[in-house]
Amino acid sequence: IAGITQAPTSQILAAGRRMTLRCTQDMRHNAMYWYRQDLGLGLRLIHYSNTAGTTGKGEVPDGYSVSRANTDDFPLTLASAVPSQTSVYFCASVEQGARQYFGPGTRLTVT
Amino acid sequence: GQNIDQPTEMTATEGAIVQINCTYQTSGFNGLFWYQQHAGEAPTFLSYNVLDGLEEKGRFSSFLSRSKGYSYLLLKELQMKDSASYLCAVMDSNYQLIWGAGTKLIIKP
Repeated sequence: IAGITQAPTSQILAAGRRMTLRCTQDMRHNAMYWYRQDLGLGLRLIHYSNTAGTTGKGEVPDGYSVSRANTDDFPLTLASAVPSQTSVYFCASVEQGARQYFGPGTRLTVT
Repeated sequence: GQNIDQPTEMTATEGAIVQINCTYQTSGFNGLFWYQQHAGEAPTFLSYNVLDGLEEKGRFSSFLSRSKGYSYLLLKELQMKDSASYLCAVMDSNYQLIWGAGTKLIIKP
């Protein structure tokens, strides 16, 4: 792989179900982020990780959790999905100097 | 609170010049970014300004005035492929990016 990948590309999920969105990068960037993007709103930070083994809460963390067991992987888990979590989710990794590289996104619909 | 303002939508003609403005109010400032996002795709990096002045990169230029909390992205010789959303983002004192909602640029032939 080259860059940053996300899986799945899209998903329809029943409310109440658990779901993990996957994110993997091969650029050895220390920092990684999860955003959600909704129509008419800017990208909103859900959780971030500045380095493997550490995580932090962003602007809209409720209902989501993350882990960072190693440098490459940064999964995002929805413990019990709700319709308001319908969104496009982007994972990003951060180069030294703060330029962010984005994955292709996951389009999630919670019904 | 922290706030990034940019116009929701702009229309321009192929071959022309367009300026997309961004004003910001943030707790601290560690640089301003512009990203391009085509419909259904991920944002991609265009420019970074941390000092006042104009940064030119081909057909695209970005300007920053920190005292005014203002930036603009200038696109010259517009092409149809420039139809996209342009996102302004400011890095605050915690080195987190605060994002504007984006400006959708429509290019007409």
